[in-house]
Amino acid sequence: NAGVTQTPKFQVLKTGQSMTLQCAQDMNHNSMYWYRQDPGMGLRLIYYSASEGTTDKGEVPNGYNVSRLNKREFSLRLESAAPSQTSVYFCASRQSQATQYFGPGTRLTVL
Amino acid sequence: AQTVTQSQPEMSVQEAETVTLSCTYDTSESDYYLFWYKQPPSRQMILVIRQEAYKQQNATENRFSVNFQKAAKSFSLKISDSQLGDAAMYFCAYSYSNYQLIWGAGTKLIIKP
Repeated sequence: NAGVTQTPKFQVLKTGQSMTLQCAQDMNHNSMYWYRQDPGMGLRLIYYSASEGTTDKGEVPNGYNVSRLNKREFSLRLESAAPSQTSVYFCASRQSQATQYFGPGTRLTVL
Repeated sequence: AQTVTQSQPEMSVQEAETVTLSCTYDTSESDYYLFWYKQPPSRQMILVIRQEAYKQQNATENRFSVNFQKAAKSFSLKISDSQLGDAAMYFCAYSYSNYQLIWGAGTKLIIKP
């Protein structure tokens, strides 16, 4: 039981490049989330998926897209990376009782 | 809008002593959840403890306990018998409706040996 996994762990991009961050959970959770964490701040919600087939914007969705591929997988795509998107990205999942469980994070640097 | 405030950017405590981390929040909701998460240098976000707003009894998990004051919108974390492994960033978070988490800015806890 791996919980929530994320790939890659680290990534360096040039401005304008695109990439997809992958997230998978093996806990059979319905809801999944993508957050970003900037220095000195708590996490901010980018997008979430309440259930398979649905996605909704969070607090900071601009510049990102998501896909809920199936119940297990929820990917985050940067179409044209910008330096302002340099951050640590966390994926989380939730089944019930509000508690979210987090992946190990991806550190992304955009030059 | 819901907000979460952690007024202590950094706290330090001697090993084996007790420390309390503060958190206040603002909401007009009556039914919600509150959490403390720990983030060690590994960056992993680890759930420490959670509290349901409808429960008057304060949550406890081994050496970790909370003081939940609903009327005052206060949710502090007490760590007893502090250990070196407790050193980390601690985040207070609030959850409501579709269970989005609203986060405080965090408190860095330093444990002195």
